Amino acid sequence: AQSVAQPEDQVNVAEGNPLTVKCTYSVSGNPYLFWYVQYPNRGLQFLLKYITGDNLVKGSYGFEAEFNKSQTSFHLKKPSALVSDSALYFCAVRDKGYGNKLVFGAGTILRVKS
Amino acid sequence: NAGVTQTPKFQVLKTGQSMTLQCAQDMNHEYMSWYRQDPGMGLRLIHYSVGAGITDQGEVPNGYNVSRSTTEDFPLRLLSAAPSQTSVYFCASSYQLAGGSNEQFFGPGTRLTVL
Repeated sequence: AQSVAQPEDQVNVAEGNPLTVKCTYSVSGNPYLFWYVQYPNRGLQFLLKYITGDNLVKGSYGFEAEFNKSQTSFHLKKPSALVSDSALYFCAVRDKGYGNKLVFGAGTILRVKS
Repeated sequence: NAGVTQTPKFQVLKTGQSMTLQCAQDMNHEYMSWYRQDPGMGLRLIHYSVGAGITDQGEVPNGYNVSRSTTEDFPLRLLSAAPSQTSVYFCASSYQLAGGSNEQFFGPGTRLTVL
């Protein structure tokens, strides 16, 4: 079965420093990978996706993610963190079978301190 | 363009009661789905639909029913509420292109407590 793992429950970073939120995946076939962000008491918002092509994917709000097939990883990155980036981040993978189903990781809380 | 809307925002039920969570989208998306979010478990798929009249079960369908009579609406019914169904429920929609590469749009959620 398709799955993703987010090994860190929480990531703390100082404002202005680079941030990384980790995600590893396990799939059969080529993965379709997504990152979503959830702000408090809100629904999820799409950040970026990897379908095919360039391993470095750029998304919303200055975020980017690097697809690494040999390490089965899809880490989310940002060169300079903002306090407003503090939120819950989810990695997800397209599930097999019919439909546009997603399998989500458990989520990583990002805290950016000023 | 309202996107994906959900009602109610909050609901408290007693064990055994039934209710319907409403979800609507105005983007003409073929695909719609319901997830529940529980602490430390991410989002888990309850039911999904690839078009009007077509629904299927996700990872955690027990205790829930769905129907899709129109493209716009995808209600989720709790048949007999149980405390284990206390959760935050999200509806999502997307275009359904071949391969499933489309990002999903999420509603604001319904926070349900079952006593």
